[in-house]
Formats: sequence, structure tokens, C-alpha cells
Amino acid sequence: DTGVSQDPRHKITKRGQNVTFRCDPISEHNRLYWYRQTLGQGPEFLTYFQNEAQLEKSRLLSDRFSAERPKGSFSTLEIQRTEQGDSAMYLCASSDSGANVLTFGAGSRLTVL
Amino acid sequence: AQTVTQSQPEMSVQEAETVTLSCTYDTSESNYYLFWYKQPPSRQMILVIRQEAYKQQNATENRFSVNFQKAAKSFSLKISDSQLGDTAMYFCAFNGGSQGNLIFGKGTKLSVKP
Repeated sequence: DTGVSQDPRHKITKRGQNVTFRCDPISEHNRLYWYRQTLGQGPEFLTYFQNEAQLEKSRLLSDRFSAERPKGSFSTLEIQRTEQGDSAMYLCASSDSGANVLTFGAGSRLTVL
Repeated sequence: AQTVTQSQPEMSVQEAETVTLSCTYDTSESNYYLFWYKQPPSRQMILVIRQEAYKQQNATENRFSVNFQKAAKSFSLKISDSQLGDTAMYFCAFNGGSQGNLIFGKGTKLSVKP
């Protein structure tokens, strides 16, 4: 098991462009979470899935943010029409539904110019 | 709403000494979990220790231990025999529901000096 994988690790984009991040969780974990972390702050919850069902999405920062987990395995987080304020680290984590311990990936750092 | 407060933005400790990081939280729930996560520079976040609120005994993991005061809603982390590799951001986190979602504090930056 290689843990939680995130791709790309770094993304530099121009304002107004769309970006997509991918997360591959630990294979036996059925829960998957997305967080955003800005410099000097703790992670901020965005959304989470149990299998393919998105059970909480009210914390997504705006309607420019969307996430999918089509087959209950990997997930994508898309940001449309990026703004400079979207620059942050986007963290993915996974867990077993019977546990409360989240295993985090290394994150995808987004820089919007 | 649940909140987690870490009042020490930065701390430093000499190698081999002991340091305590503070965390307080606010919740109306009676059963919940508390965590300390470590985030080394440019590396991913890893779990340090977990405490279940219904357990009175404080959790311990090798050099890491907690002082859990449920009535005071306090959850501090003690690191004994500090090592250079302990240099990292430390985040206190709370989980109060079935979703498993964590609420994090702002973190404490710990520097271990040789």
C-alpha cells in the first residue's frame, strides 16, 4: 500500500483557468476527504465522500469548486475560473468508515498568477 | 459549532528536553475524539496521537503523551526527550460526529534546537 497519492504536487496557473486535482486513497478506505490549507493556517474542510456518495459539500468555498468520486475509488477536485485567492495547498485524506483516523496525502499546491 | 484553539503560534525547545503544546476546544457533544497531527516542513501530515473522550486514561505513544482534561476542554501534548526530527507544525484536531471530518486548530510551529 502506497498511502494516499495526490497529483499533481504543484500546479501553477493563470487567473481564470480551470484546474483539476486527483486523489487516490488507500485502497481499503471508503471515506475520502478534501481540505484546503493556506499558509500559516490549519486545514479547512471542503467536502467528503463515502464510497461514491458525496455526503457533505456545503463547505465547498464557492460554486467554482466541485468534487467527484465516480466509482468510489479515486476522486477529483476541480476549481473553475481560478482566482488568486485560490492559491493554497489542497489536501486529500482517506479513512475507513469504522475509524476516526484520517491518513493524509502530501497535498497539491496551487499557485494562481 | 465546534472550535479548536491553539494559543501558541510558535515554540522552541532544546534537544532532549520536554515541551508541552496547548490546545483547547469547544463542543456540546459528550462523545468525541481528539487528535494531534504533525506536519514536518514540506512533508505530509501524520497522526501523532489520538484520545477518545470517553476514556479517562491519557493516551501515550512512546515519547508523546497527552493531558486530557474533559471538564476544562483542554488537550495538551507533551513531547519528552525532544529530537531534531520533531521540528514541525503541530495541529490539534477534533472529531465529534459520525462523518469523521476533523476540525483543526491553527497550529503551533515547534523548533527543536541542537
